[in-house]
Amino acid sequence: SQQGEEDPQALSIQEGENATMNCSYKTSINNLQWYRQNSGRGLVHLILIRSNEREKHSGRLRVTLDTSKKSSSLLITASRAADTASYFCATDSGGAQKLVFGQGTRLTINP
Amino acid sequence: DAGVIQSPRHEVTEMGQEVTLRCKPISGHDYLFWYRQTMMRGLELLIYFNNNVPIDDSGMPEDRFSAKMPNASFSTLKIQPSEPRDSAVYFCASSQQGLRYGYTFGSGTRLTVV
Repeated sequence: SQQGEEDPQALSIQEGENATMNCSYKTSINNLQWYRQNSGRGLVHLILIRSNEREKHSGRLRVTLDTSKKSSSLLITASRAADTASYFCATDSGGAQKLVFGQGTRLTINP
Repeated sequence: DAGVIQSPRHEVTEMGQEVTLRCKPISGHDYLFWYRQTMMRGLELLIYFNNNVPIDDSGMPEDRFSAKMPNASFSTLKIQPSEPRDSAVYFCASSQQGLRYGYTFGSGTRLTVV
């Protein structure tokens, strides 16, 4: 079953623009993680935000978490063609040490 | 570290045959996860291990699927007999201390059952 749901399902922007992807989840969490998947490859961990954190930065990535709304957003600033990939949010499931992934957002950066 | 290593990268087999997928986690990681990815169902957790012990196999679709972790450096996922609906990309991932840090995924095994 899906815990996180990403929005939009697909996003196409011009290189240099900012890309924002959203994730909503249903039950309380300990942490939320974002992953990137390039076509034909495995997932790569990008950033982890804990339930007591509201915002986190890593390079051009900015993640926010609103536990009252059960939602998170991933912002990629100054996008590059190499950012073209699918992006997934993942949440833990009620204390179990496992991640449940959403369906992902397909991001295309046009040069 | 070479990361999580999966083999084979691609597997094509006939319906009814046994298929074995292999995974070598990162040394020192105490959790190992098997996921399956399809267009229709996305990423599904099949089973995970902690210190080589299966903790949750509720995602294993049916008795045709089995997974083992005989030691800290090796795990297998077996499908017997295979069916066309098992066609998917199977990922292995490992982590240190569960959800404390992120998962490291392997490159996956693309399984096609004809």
